[in-house]
Amino acid sequence: SQELEQSPQSLIVQEGKNLTINCTSSKTLYGLYWYKQKYGEGLIFLMMLQKGGEEKSHEKITAKLDEKKQQSSLHITASQPSHAGIYLCGAKGDYNQGGKLIFGQGTELSVKP
Amino acid sequence: NAGVMQNPRHLVRRRGQEARLRCSPMKGHSHVYWYRQLPEEGLKFMVYLQKENIIDESGMPKERFSAEFPKEGPSILRIQQVVRGDSAAYFCASSHPGGRETQYFGPGTRLLVL
Repeated sequence: SQELEQSPQSLIVQEGKNLTINCTSSKTLYGLYWYKQKYGEGLIFLMMLQKGGEEKSHEKITAKLDEKKQQSSLHITASQPSHAGIYLCGAKGDYNQGGKLIFGQGTELSVKP
Repeated sequence: NAGVMQNPRHLVRRRGQEARLRCSPMKGHSHVYWYRQLPEEGLKFMVYLQKENIIDESGMPKERFSAEFPKEGPSILRIQQVVRGDSAAYFCASSHPGGRETQYFGPGTRLLVL
């Protein structure tokens, strides 16, 4: 079965600094989703990547999917306290698996003012 | 446009009681998914439904758990005879039909079993 591994597990950065979170899959990715979860709340959809080499940006967050479609990175530029939370990558690894999403264990981000 | 709605947000049950968790999908969405987040564990898929049909229940525990999504009304996740190990956050997501559609999540129901 497919597994997603995120690194680092936790991250503390100073406000204004850049950071990167990685998500590595044991199998080829068919759709990679990034979500953000604030403690005690639901998941907020950030971005979805499907094609090898694809890159998407929203405000100060950029997500990339590598050419081999087994690794994705999430990059935050000039971090702010509002970026704090748990970042989760989710994937539909098997083309025939339909709607089921498999998630990484999450990366907890803290931003110090 | 209202997002995915779940209720109750918090639910306390004693061992042996039943828990009913409700999920109303986003407007226009006909597919619903349930996930469970156990303490210190990641988010795990439980079941995928469309109206009046279970598409994938590969993540559902074999006993005591059931899910439905009737023609009218919200999707229901039902847990019978709850045990302490059922304490977790239960999230519902919804999407348009199609395996590649983005899933949008509700705020979750936090179940505590005493």
